[in-house]
Amino acid sequence: EIVLTQSPGTLSLSPGERATLSCRASQSVASSYLAWYQQKPGQAPRLLIFGASSRATGIPDRFSGSGSGTDFTLTISRLEPEDFAVYYCQQYGSSPFTFGPGTKVDI
Amino acid sequence: QVQLVESGGGVVQPGRSLRLSCAASGFSFSLYTMHWVRQAPGKGLEWVAVLSSDGGDKSYADSVKGRFTISRDNSKHALYLQINGLIIEDTAVYFCARFGEFQRALDIWGQGTMVTVSS
Repeated sequence: EIVLTQSPGTLSLSPGERATLSCRASQSVASSYLAWYQQKPGQAPRLLIFGASSRATGIPDRFSGSGSGTDFTLTISRLEPEDFAVYYCQQYGSSPFTFGPGTKVDI
Repeated sequence: QVQLVESGGGVVQPGRSLRLSCAASGFSFSLYTMHWVRQAPGKGLEWVAVLSSDGGDKSYADSVKGRFTISRDNSKHALYLQINGLIIEDTAVYFCARFGEFQRALDIWGQGTMVTVSS
């Protein structure tokens, strides 16, 4: 099983600042099958990034993903008020398709 | 519009069984691999199970293997999760999600259905 570790656990920032979220895998993720999701309280997760670096439909270009192998990064270039949420990475290269524990981005 | 709607959650006693349903609309359900993901109160997301478009391939998280069964009825545009031998640790919101054809990740999610295991 591939274990995903996300850091930091909580990121305290202000609107307009840059957020850098890390996701590290215990072994290489096949074909960069790594996704990032955003979840707000009481809501279902929303797909942000797939294939490590491709933005999902309708996702603003302030969100970007990078990385390969075991190290992946989600960057939010300039935080908007609606970006304060919890972010999860998930690998879907091999079953079980594990999620990371999440990073909370708060004010 | 493209939509997934879960149902079947509720309060159940330990040891009992429950079947969750996920109704799909707005897309060709039979062409898509489908997943179940759960989230315990105040906790993170936990991947539960996956089922291929034709129902021929399935896989489960170790934590549910042997107790959970994922299935689908493509004629009814429906995904199911049979949960047997419920334990306290199964208390969670259960989401169904579509694995996208072009956006190859979980691109469409339902709103979730809550399962509470309590005596």
